[in-house]
Amino acid sequence: EVQLLESGGGLVQPGGSLRLSCAASGFTFSSYAMSWVRQAPGKGLEWVSVISVGGGTTNFADSVKGRFTISRDNSKNTLHLQMNSLRAEDTAVYYCARDRGYVGGYFDNWGQGILVTVSS
Amino acid sequence: EIVLTQSPGTLSLSPGERATLSCRASQSVSGNYLAWYQQKPGQAPRLLIYDASSRATGIPDRFSGSGSGTDFTLTISRLEPEDFAVFYCQQYGNSPRTFGQGTKVEIK
Repeated sequence: EVQLLESGGGLVQPGGSLRLSCAASGFTFSSYAMSWVRQAPGKGLEWVSVISVGGGTTNFADSVKGRFTISRDNSKNTLHLQMNSLRAEDTAVYYCARDRGYVGGYFDNWGQGILVTVSS
Repeated sequence: EIVLTQSPGTLSLSPGERATLSCRASQSVSGNYLAWYQQKPGQAPRLLIYDASSRATGIPDRFSGSGSGTDFTLTISRLEPEDFAVFYCQQYGNSPRTFGQGTKVEIK
């Protein structure tokens, strides 16, 4: 069974940083691209970032470009999202999702999500 | 970027009825690469349909997807009590990938 478990969320002040992690199990992690998708409170879904199977290709939504970085450790089956210069509008539940494309497909498995709150 | 507009915003139906949800794209979706997700309160989204009409693993056959180009439809043939939720479409034929704003299917 595919399992994705996010961690690292919480409350952070505007301008601060946070690092999210996603522990994957139940599938060959190194064979799949992985993405982060977020959902602001009471709002819809927004794709944030994707990383290719080997980590050599990454893409970001314009809303986070230059502030967020994505990385993966295939030896530890772990995905990360480093979030810097956080803004109030980054407040959301962040989901890690298995991506069925090289760097742009649909999402066939999702974690339970982790809340990030940016507030003073 | 492609804007996906879902309609209606809310659909009020009874169990056993048929639900028809629309997703319209601001420009043609390359390859008809469109997916549908179901999200219940407090839960992560669940993939229902990909490539416009292919059901994901374990999805009941009362869920079906159709359409091409700019107009796509998710149909639930007979609503079961567990089907009431918010449904999102997502296109992945053009970068960046985008989602619709969602359609809520509620119990009438």
